[in-house]
Amino acid sequence: DQQVKQNSPSLSVQEGRISILNCDYTNSMFDYFLWYKKYPAEGPTFLISISSIKDKNEDGRFTVFLNKSAKHLSLHIVPSQPGDSAVYFCAASGSSNTGKLIFGQGTTLQVKP
Amino acid sequence: KAGVTQTPRYLIKTRGQQVTLSCSPISGHRSVSWYQQTPGQGLQFLFEYFSETQRNKGNFPGRFSGRQFSNSRSEMNVSTLELGDSALYLCASTTVGGNEKLFFGSGTQLSVL
Repeated sequence: DQQVKQNSPSLSVQEGRISILNCDYTNSMFDYFLWYKKYPAEGPTFLISISSIKDKNEDGRFTVFLNKSAKHLSLHIVPSQPGDSAVYFCAASGSSNTGKLIFGQGTTLQVKP
Repeated sequence: KAGVTQTPRYLIKTRGQQVTLSCSPISGHRSVSWYQQTPGQGLQFLFEYFSETQRNKGNFPGRFSGRQFSNSRSEMNVSTLELGDSALYLCASTTVGGNEKLFFGSGTQLSVL
């Protein structure tokens, strides 16, 4: 039972354009959501998070949007840069005080120069 | 400040053997979580340790076990290895158990032949 789903295995965008990565979840008990970025041969690194009491959180070029009614979140990267090429994982948790995260399958983003 | 250190980096075992993986968290971090990453499955939560106690456990068989020492270092053990156990095993640490700042190691790549 995949509680967190990233339905697009890959995404390709041109440098300077917007990248939009999507994530859906099924468990309404999730109240904390995160995005991680992973390069080959490295562990995932934390990008940005959002609590269920918010619908938007911004950090530089990265913005996460949360639509609780649709159980959907998205990560926007503007403008996209070639260095953003990596695998992006969406994750969810029922609490902000636990190391247990439920991850999606990941989306591979390729930003073309 | 040193990051999360996982050893060994690569491991090759045969079916039926057992294996022990090691994780040294960031200094001061008391929570250590373990994840399994396989192609197409994303990261799946194995277990979390906090102050030497298992605090959360994922849906893995009893062949997967772990422990945490008083210095917060953690080990995970897999007994009676199966081909399907081939995966990247990632360890993550955080301060007081909050998931916002989960810091991951580079992982141990386990191949079971």
